[in-house]
Amino acid sequence: GAGVSQSPRYKVAKRGQDVALRCDPISGHVSLFWYQQALGQGPEFLTYFQNEAQLDKSGLPSDRFFAERPEGSVSTLKIQRTQQEDSAVYLCASSLSPTALGRRSSYNEQFFGPGTRLTVL
Amino acid sequence: SQQGEEDPQALSIQEGENATMNCSYKTSINNLQWYRQNSGRGLVHLILIRSNEREKHSGRLRVTLDTSKKSSSLLITASRAADTASYFCATGSSGGSYIPTFGRGTSLIVHP
Repeated sequence: GAGVSQSPRYKVAKRGQDVALRCDPISGHVSLFWYQQALGQGPEFLTYFQNEAQLDKSGLPSDRFFAERPEGSVSTLKIQRTQQEDSAVYLCASSLSPTALGRRSSYNEQFFGPGTRLTVL
Repeated sequence: SQQGEEDPQALSIQEGENATMNCSYKTSINNLQWYRQNSGRGLVHLILIRSNEREKHSGRLRVTLDTSKKSSSLLITASRAADTASYFCATGSSGGSYIPTFGRGTSLIVHP
């Protein structure tokens, strides 16, 4: 079966442009995560969806970042007025079960997409 | 902010040798996972070890966890050129929701 896919794989934007990054999770997966991975760093959490509900957006770096998952499957991460510090790989991951926010939870394996490499000039 | 710190940052070995990577973390955890990331690809989950476990094996992988020292190690035995990748540890907090917190990773190069 298909894994998590992301598009585009590469995006070059001029500073100030808006960009939209797409994630297609594994069919039937309830949970969807977005991460930002700067060069030479590990992924850093941005936001989490359970179905169509955005339950945690604590990692979004500014109000220029916006994510949605309107039908509980495909998700889009939008960055408005891009800046050079937004250059990074944006990773999407999905998992089958919900993550039990706010209480001890067992691990639900996350399946990662290949990422979108965003370069802001 | 990064929770785990992998050590070394880079490791270069010959095929057939063993590779050991270490991860230290700061806060109490529920579990710890190791991931592999090949160049230009997403992360692949390798193994999870829970806070009440001390050692776990999966094929050529051996993971240990010492919660008293807040550290974990990943051993890859009989390495292959295909093991060349970056390896990350990620911790699941014992205090609340499971959002994994990743370290900066160890870059492993296995020379054929």
